[in-house]
Amino acid sequence: QVQLQESGPGLVKPSETLSLTCTVSGGSITGYYWSWFRQPPGKGLEWIGYISNSGSTNNNPSLKSRVTISVDTSKNQFSLRLSAVTAADTAVYYCARVGGNYRYYFDYWGQGTLVTVSS
Amino acid sequence: EIVMTQSPATLSVSPGERATLSCRASQSVSNNLAWYQHKPGQAPRLLIYGASTRATGIPARFSGSGSGTEFTLTISSLQSEDFAVYYCQQYNNWPPLTFGGGTKVGIK
Repeated sequence: QVQLQESGPGLVKPSETLSLTCTVSGGSITGYYWSWFRQPPGKGLEWIGYISNSGSTNNNPSLKSRVTISVDTSKNQFSLRLSAVTAADTAVYYCARVGGNYRYYFDYWGQGTLVTVSS
Repeated sequence: EIVMTQSPATLSVSPGERATLSCRASQSVSNNLAWYQHKPGQAPRLLIYGASTRATGIPARFSGSGSGTEFTLTISSLQSEDFAVYYCQQYNNWPPLTFGGGTKVGIK
């Protein structure tokens, strides 16, 4: 059974960079595409971006210039960096696996990690 | 950007009853539509993809239908473990991939 677990600081200061890691267990990270999402308090889910098995990425245009997604196959992990954060970036952040072959629905998700942006 | 609108926002249902959730897209997404179940503090769970295909391990009481702009998730006989928030997501025209605002299914 594939499992995903997000990790990283729960508190980030405004203007700094949010960094999260998703560790994949029960399966290999290679051969799949992986994605990040977030859910601000009381709001819906927002797609942040994805990384392919070749390392190419595609991000939400609303966040594009601030988002970096990378993968470390040796550790079976992929990561998110979001720069210049503000209070609006406070959210539960989720990682997930793309379930289809060029069909971007998501079959395995992490439980999420709350990141608060505050000084 | 394709806007996904779910209705109702809240649905109160008695155990054993049928629940019908709707999802509308601002333009056609063909059948590139997924449904997820989300409980507080848990990972979202994929229920349906391709508008009507149940994901692995999903009980037959969950069914999806529709194409184009109108979609429905039906839970034929609600069990206690089905009380949760349900989201639809389109993956036809992107970026960005977009979700509906969710329908919270609660106990009547």
